[in-house]
Amino acid sequence: GQQLNQSPQSMFIQEGEDVSMNCTSSSIFNTWLWYKQDPGEGPVLLIALYKAGELTSNGRLTAQFGITRKDSFLNISASIPSDVGIYFCAGPDYGGATNKLIFGTGTLLAVQP
Amino acid sequence: GAVVSQHPSWVICKSGTSVKIECRSLDFQATTMFWYRQFPKQSLMLMATSNEGSKATYEQGVEKDKFLINHASLTLSTLTVTSAHPEDSSFYICSAIRGEGETQYFGPGTRLLVL
Repeated sequence: GQQLNQSPQSMFIQEGEDVSMNCTSSSIFNTWLWYKQDPGEGPVLLIALYKAGELTSNGRLTAQFGITRKDSFLNISASIPSDVGIYFCAGPDYGGATNKLIFGTGTLLAVQP
Repeated sequence: GAVVSQHPSWVICKSGTSVKIECRSLDFQATTMFWYRQFPKQSLMLMATSNEGSKATYEQGVEKDKFLINHASLTLSTLTVTSAHPEDSSFYICSAIRGEGETQYFGPGTRLLVL
């Protein structure tokens, strides 16, 4: 079945540094979603990508939809302590019910003030 | 954006008891709601998809008689963990969508601890 693998699994960085994480799949996706989950909370949608090659920004966050449609990248510039959390990529489960999402394995980000 | 709430935010119960978790869409009508489970340091795993007025669709490996889902209205879905056991301890998260193909909005989650 479809799987989404994220790397790195975790990152520990200094405040002000830029961050890059990626999500890869063995199958093609037509939509890529990036969520952030704060500790003890539900995920919040950060960026949605709908077109191969698309580059979309949301403040300090930038995400790209890979040309092969099998990967996506999320970059965070000038990180701040509140960027701490788990970042998940997600995509539609084409083999499942309508609207069903598959979530990636997650990247844990820790930011040292 | 759309707001989804869950109640309670956390619950501790004894083994063998049943626990009900509510998921509400506060400012929109949700045609579909989803229930996820997340174990520590793991990703979200979909348990079931719930459409208003119809039976929920459960994912493979999820016992429908143990995890009862009721979606009685367009703004409320409930998940009841029946005869809870310690291995059911987890973070349960719901999400809701306005319509097909729409963005999923997630609730804040309910942490369940079964002693």
